[in-house]
Amino acid sequence: EDQVTQSPEALRLQEGESSSLNCSYTVSGLRGLFWYRQDPGKGPEFLFTLYSAGEEKEKERLKATLTKKESFLHITAPKPEDSATYLCAVPGGTSYGKLTFGQGTILTVHP
Amino acid sequence: DSGVTQTPKHLITATGQRVTLRCSPRSGDLSVYWYQQSLDQGLQFLIQYYNGEERAKGNILERFSAQQFPDLHSELNLSSLELGDSALYFCASSVGGMVVSDTQYFGPGTRLTVL
Repeated sequence: EDQVTQSPEALRLQEGESSSLNCSYTVSGLRGLFWYRQDPGKGPEFLFTLYSAGEEKEKERLKATLTKKESFLHITAPKPEDSATYLCAVPGGTSYGKLTFGQGTILTVHP
Repeated sequence: DSGVTQTPKHLITATGQRVTLRCSPRSGDLSVYWYQQSLDQGLQFLIQYYNGEERAKGNILERFSAQQFPDLHSELNLSSLELGDSALYFCASSVGGMVVSDTQYFGPGTRLTVL
């Protein structure tokens, strides 16, 4: 069965203090890895899709990278508005539509 | 704003009751997905419809059912509600549904509280 594990569970940073979030996965044939941002009580907001090892994508202060076993979400010089839960997910092997999500990393950025 | 709409935003009901959650996908999207998010389980896939047909099923309870209508909106029906069904229910949509790497865009969710 597909498994997605995110670490740390929670991360507290000072504004401007860069760090990384980890997403490790176990799937039978990776067909993409998704990163989402979720604010409390809101729906997940799509950030990135990565398809193959070595791929990188950037958006403002966020950069996502992918290896054969894990993905990292690097946050450079974060601001308080970057505070949210960050979720990663992988598509199901035999079930086209199913996304298996990790439990998320709760990021808090203090001014 | 993802373009996916869900109604109602909040729903409070009693155990044993039945409710219907509604979702309209983004314009042009053919697939609709339903997810449940609770504090202890995280985001869990329930079911997918593609162009009116059921495409994939997750750990959806027999008390729950869904359908997608010709105008592509979808409804999730939850019956014989239990306290443990209290959760956020999200709908997502994507352009296709045949390609596993289709990006899913999520709606704002419906918060269900069962008393």
